[in-house]
Amino acid sequence: QVTLKESGPALVKPTQTLTLTCTFSGFSLSTSGMRVNWIRQPPGKALEWLARIDWDDDKFYSTSLKTRLTISKDTSKNQVVLTMTNMDPVDTGTYYCARMHSDSSGLFEYWGQGTLVTVSS
Amino acid sequence: QLVLTQSPSASASLGASVKLTCTLNSGHGYYAIAWHQQQPEKGPRYLMKLNSDGSHNKGDGIPDRFSGSSSGTERYLTISSLQSEDEADYYCQTWGTGIVIFGGGTKLTVL
Repeated sequence: QVTLKESGPALVKPTQTLTLTCTFSGFSLSTSGMRVNWIRQPPGKALEWLARIDWDDDKFYSTSLKTRLTISKDTSKNQVVLTMTNMDPVDTGTYYCARMHSDSSGLFEYWGQGTLVTVSS
Repeated sequence: QLVLTQSPSASASLGASVKLTCTLNSGHGYYAIAWHQQQPEKGPRYLMKLNSDGSHNKGDGIPDRFSGSSSGTERYLTISSLQSEDEADYYCQTWGTGIVIFGGGTKLTVL
């Protein structure tokens, strides 16, 4: 059974750096073809893809946010970490991690429950 | 540039059927997509992968009431025998090399 769970601070101040952790089970990110992503959703708005890390440590970022994002993995802990620098109130929203389908397509087969991050002074 | 377009809202009566549409921009009619359901105050849930030829593969536990079809650049999600728990936001999603695109979502109201 594949599960993913996000964790991190509920509140960050403007200009601070956000660090989120995705802890997963039911698969290993050292297995060929495994890929974990971060997606966010501002309140009342649509989903927005942020970043992806692959089993072979390839990394991909949203073009509009790539200067602020860093994604990394700790295979031994079954964790993926996302950092986002220079946080702004517009970054407020729910942040999800999701695993892509094992069929090597780019669809998200498993989602976490999300963690709400509020950016406010 | 890959773009997915969805109508912001749809509604249908309890027990009826509804067909939601996701449109790929011109030139991208060969792309597969995924449909995801997001019930109120919950995280998204994968429904199905929908190919350009209309074939689809549903996620585990997705009822037979949910089906997909395709025509050109349009991808459809049909929900039959609507139930109250189908009231949710529905997102289409596609992907390219190193990118992921979401549609704007359709809010489905079950009357």
